[in-house]
Amino acid sequence: DAKTTQPPSMDCAEGRAANLPCNHSTISGNEYVYWYRQIHSQGPQYIIHGLKNNETNEMASLIITEDRKSSTLILPHATLRDTAVYYCIVRLEGGSEKLVFGKGTKLTVNP
Amino acid sequence: EPEVTQTPSHQVTQMGQEVILRCVPISNHLYFYWYRQILGQKVEFLVSFYNNEISEKSEIFDDQFSVERPDGSNFTLKIRSTKLEDSAMYFCASSEEWGMSEQYFGPGTRLTVT
Repeated sequence: DAKTTQPPSMDCAEGRAANLPCNHSTISGNEYVYWYRQIHSQGPQYIIHGLKNNETNEMASLIITEDRKSSTLILPHATLRDTAVYYCIVRLEGGSEKLVFGKGTKLTVNP
Repeated sequence: EPEVTQTPSHQVTQMGQEVILRCVPISNHLYFYWYRQILGQKVEFLVSFYNNEISEKSEIFDDQFSVERPDGSNFTLKIRSTKLEDSAMYFCASSEEWGMSEQYFGPGTRLTVT
């Protein structure tokens, strides 16, 4: 699976959009981008995933660049409860089922 | 909303003792996983399980570990002879399908080996 690079930490003001970047420059054509988050030692929580088109659900939006070498997770109106570690994970379609977690980005939403 | 549950939430055991960590996956899910997270470190994959068989395991999952689905609802992780370095949060997860299906995680069991 392709390696991902994320900033170790970010801050965001409550009510503002949080934009979390992820670089995956070695991603291959059939590798998907997944985002999970972990709120203070709880179990990781699935957020969203995509292949090449932008995706949106009730939690977030995922913007993938045209060359697929990077992506951005957008939380449109961050709340204090969104403070968590956010993980960007690349998974090969039909490959291993395991999720390989990196260190992620610690997002702190400030009041 | 259905969720993965785990018991106990915290287990304290002495080195060398056997422990069994229990999980109840989401009812219509067919694929089950265990992960662990040592304090301050990354979440690490241990094992995946489908159709009563291990489908993949990591190097961490050595002979001291075993998994079982003893009935239609429970999924267990057994550590035969615990070591100090087994102290960690253990997360169970399940998914509905193989492939690009999202995994749903339980709240975890904190295992402390003294």
